[in-house]
Amino acid sequence: DQQVKQNSPSLSVQEGRISILNCDYTNSMFDYFLWYKKYPAEGPTFLISISSIKDKNEDGRFTVFLNKSAKHLSLHIVPSQPGDSAVYFCAASGTSNTGKLIFGQGTTLQVKP
Amino acid sequence: DSGVTQTPKHLITATGQRVTLRCSPRSGDLSVYWYQQSLDQGLQFLIQYYNGEERAKGNILERFSAQQFPDLHSELNLSSLELGDSALYFCASSEGGRFTGELFFGEGSRLTVL
Repeated sequence: DQQVKQNSPSLSVQEGRISILNCDYTNSMFDYFLWYKKYPAEGPTFLISISSIKDKNEDGRFTVFLNKSAKHLSLHIVPSQPGDSAVYFCAASGTSNTGKLIFGQGTTLQVKP
Repeated sequence: DSGVTQTPKHLITATGQRVTLRCSPRSGDLSVYWYQQSLDQGLQFLIQYYNGEERAKGNILERFSAQQFPDLHSELNLSSLELGDSALYFCASSEGGRFTGELFFGEGSRLTVL
């Protein structure tokens, strides 16, 4: 049972344009959502997060939106840069406060110069 | 550099064998997590230790076991290996206590079972 889904395996955008990565979840008990970025041969690195009590969180070029009624979150990158090319994972955490994260399958973003 | 060190980076072994993966967390972090990433899959949570004690368990196979030592490093033991165990195994750490959401991941140990 895939509780966190990223339905787009890949996304290609032009440098300077907006990148929108999407993520859907099924478990309404999730209370914290995160995005991680992963370059080849490296471990995932934390990018941005959002609590379920908010619907938007912004950090520089990165904004995460949460739509709880639709059980959907998205990551917007504006403007996109070639260095943003990586695999992006969304992840969710429940109320257990244990640090157990449920990850999506990842979306490979390619930003073309 | 996340500060989390994993060894070995690559490991090739045969079915039926046993391997040990090692993880040193960031300085000061009390929690260690193990995740498995199989081909084209997301990261699957295996287990979490906090200050030497098991805190949470995921879908970890009975053939797998882990522990966290007094110096806070952790080892993941995989035994009776099968072809399907081939994967990237990530270790992550966090300060522990209240979960803030950010985990610091190592570069992973790539296990290939032939």
